[in-house]
Amino acid sequence: EAEVAQSPRYKITEKSQAVAFWCDPISGHATLYWYRQILGQGPELLVQFQDESVVDDSQLPKDRFSAERLKGVDSTLKIQPAELGDSAMYLCASSPREGGRDAGELFFGEGSRLTVL
Amino acid sequence: QQQVKQSPQSLIVQKGGISIINCAYENTAFDYFPWYQQFPGKGPALLIAIRPDVSEKKEGRFTISFNKSAKQFSLHIMDSQPGDSATYFCAASYYGNKLVFGAGTILRVKS
Repeated sequence: EAEVAQSPRYKITEKSQAVAFWCDPISGHATLYWYRQILGQGPELLVQFQDESVVDDSQLPKDRFSAERLKGVDSTLKIQPAELGDSAMYLCASSPREGGRDAGELFFGEGSRLTVL
Repeated sequence: QQQVKQSPQSLIVQKGGISIINCAYENTAFDYFPWYQQFPGKGPALLIAIRPDVSEKKEGRFTISFNKSAKQFSLHIMDSQPGDSATYFCAASYYGNKLVFGAGTILRVKS
């Protein structure tokens, strides 16, 4: 069964350091999402890609966060510098296509848990 | 701004009982309402979903009830089992984009 791959699973870093997370969506999925899930809360959308283009990054703190999906396949989310409040699970998800009846079926990876000390 | 409000925050149900989780939304443009199940250390996984043109959808022991006029929808888990113990999230989206999640309900099924 195809899965969304994420790495690393766990990352501990000190504040002001840079961190990066990688995501490989399910093959053929055009839409890729990065969500942040703070412990005890629901996932919150950070950025949405359609192929290599950003569709929505309105909730992405652009002063420290960046995301790219250069070839429209895998994606990287970067935080620089990390702050204490960035401690969370970073979830990547993909879906077959934008819009339409199936686009709401997101397939999530297992996430990258970040702890900022 | 919380677009989808979920309750209760936690729920304890006896094995064989019915678990009920409720959600309410404000944005009438939402046209897709899924429920996700998340186990500790895992990402959320789609459980069941409904569109506003139907009032109920059933898949096995899981049923979504949808009330468009009240802008509410709920998840019913019949014959709840210990393996159903997880966190459940309701969500909503407009034309398949920008899925917004509720805060989650931690379900514990006691054997």
